[in-house]
Amino acid sequence: SAVISQKPSRDICQRGTSLTIQCQVDSQVTMMFWYRQQPGQSLTLIATANQGSEATYESGFVIDKFPISRPNLTFSTLTVSNMSPEDSSIYLCSVDRDGSTDTQYFGPGTRLTVL
Amino acid sequence: GENVEQHPSTLSVQEGDSAVIKCTYSDSASNYFPWYKQELGKRPQLIIDIRSNVGEKKDQRIAVTLNKTAKHFSLHITETQPEDSAVYFCAASIESGGSYIPTFGRGTSLIVHP
Repeated sequence: SAVISQKPSRDICQRGTSLTIQCQVDSQVTMMFWYRQQPGQSLTLIATANQGSEATYESGFVIDKFPISRPNLTFSTLTVSNMSPEDSSIYLCSVDRDGSTDTQYFGPGTRLTVL
Repeated sequence: GENVEQHPSTLSVQEGDSAVIKCTYSDSASNYFPWYKQELGKRPQLIIDIRSNVGEKKDQRIAVTLNKTAKHFSLHITETQPEDSAVYFCAASIESGGSYIPTFGRGTSLIVHP
């Protein structure tokens, strides 16, 4: 499976500010995915990021709130904009392994607390 | 869209007992069903998966069964050990644009008592 890293691993932010989360993969992948996991909850897909095109957002998530960049085949960023305490969650990126596109592998996550 | 129901939400067993977690899905187009284990503070890790052309798959103490007609699939863990304690998520995946997009269940917190 791919080696996936995320930065930062955790952060505490003030409401109204924005945080950009980075996801780095050690091999080229076509699709990268961003998930949110609220405390004690399941994984909810925010958007799918394909290199060279606009991200595709799931119902309930909008680009103005969660802008995503995908500048190359090994890197993506998710920004959480104008944060409120309700945005406190773990944010995870994932990839599907090229050559076997059915399984998703997750990064270690970014634990965000908004005060 | 796809809807995945997972039961139970919490499962407490004695070491050595078996544990069964059940999931149902709604979209008959789903054809890939992974199971993830998430330990406290860690990322979800794939433990086993099954594709729609297979009814059962086993890997040591873990097995998964799939009933496509009834749209349900289950995870079976035998001879449970304390290190099996974690949250387990089932997922049903549909192919989209060359990738499989999973919809996750709400998770089962498995507690194995020594």
